[in-house]
Amino acid sequence: SSELTQDPAVSVALGQTVRITCQGDSLRSYYASWYQQKPGQAPVLVIYGKNNRPSGIPDRFSGSSSGNTASLTITGAQAEDEADYYCNSRDSSGNRHVVFGGGTKLTVL
Amino acid sequence: QVQLQQWGAGLLKPSETLSLTCAVYGGSFSGYYWSWIRQPPGKGLEWIGEINHSGSTNYNPSLKSRVTISVDTSKNQFSLKLSSVTAADTAVYYCARGRPRGITMVRGVIDYYYYYMDVWGKGTTVTVSS
Repeated sequence: SSELTQDPAVSVALGQTVRITCQGDSLRSYYASWYQQKPGQAPVLVIYGKNNRPSGIPDRFSGSSSGNTASLTITGAQAEDEADYYCNSRDSSGNRHVVFGGGTKLTVL
Repeated sequence: QVQLQQWGAGLLKPSETLSLTCAVYGGSFSGYYWSWIRQPPGKGLEWIGEINHSGSTNYNPSLKSRVTISVDTSKNQFSLKLSSVTAADTAVYYCARGRPRGITMVRGVIDYYYYYMDVWGKGTTVTVSS
């Protein structure tokens, strides 16, 4: 299967920890990459590989993976973390198609 | 610092062909996968397809019959054409750089692969309306 499934919406209290999950068969072979998108802006890569952050991404963002599920964890969520988050990988069936999850809207309360 | 600058027509009529171009500045064009992604209003990201510097392409099966992605290495540019557009093709279209597949090893055995897009264009809004 080439689908990645995300919860449509998640909320977190300011300063608390939140986990955003992504499920799919391809995640048994691929680490998910994660993108943050704020309204009117292009997506920004926040996590890639096993648990790597591009330069400039705060260390409160981390990634993990188990079985067919990848997780993005924000430890100590800030108001500026309110955004849509998308997971992404390649299809593992051999066709190398790129797939995105449907996105999770994170609200920081 | 690699930057992607994209441009193209923003308003089309049904049945016309969408045409966008993305230029790569400040970095190598070879060794990467250059993708087009779109986002309909209020919806999520949809991968359209990709091309590498040698012109090898890979398309989303749902759009493959209407999509052509091409590359001009002399200009460090790649382009998207989407034919026979309808209102359903109204979206923000992004170009992005995809990294070659990475591999993690555990005790000499492949553990996981990984793939990611690390540079994105700002997006071009394309509206299809009669």
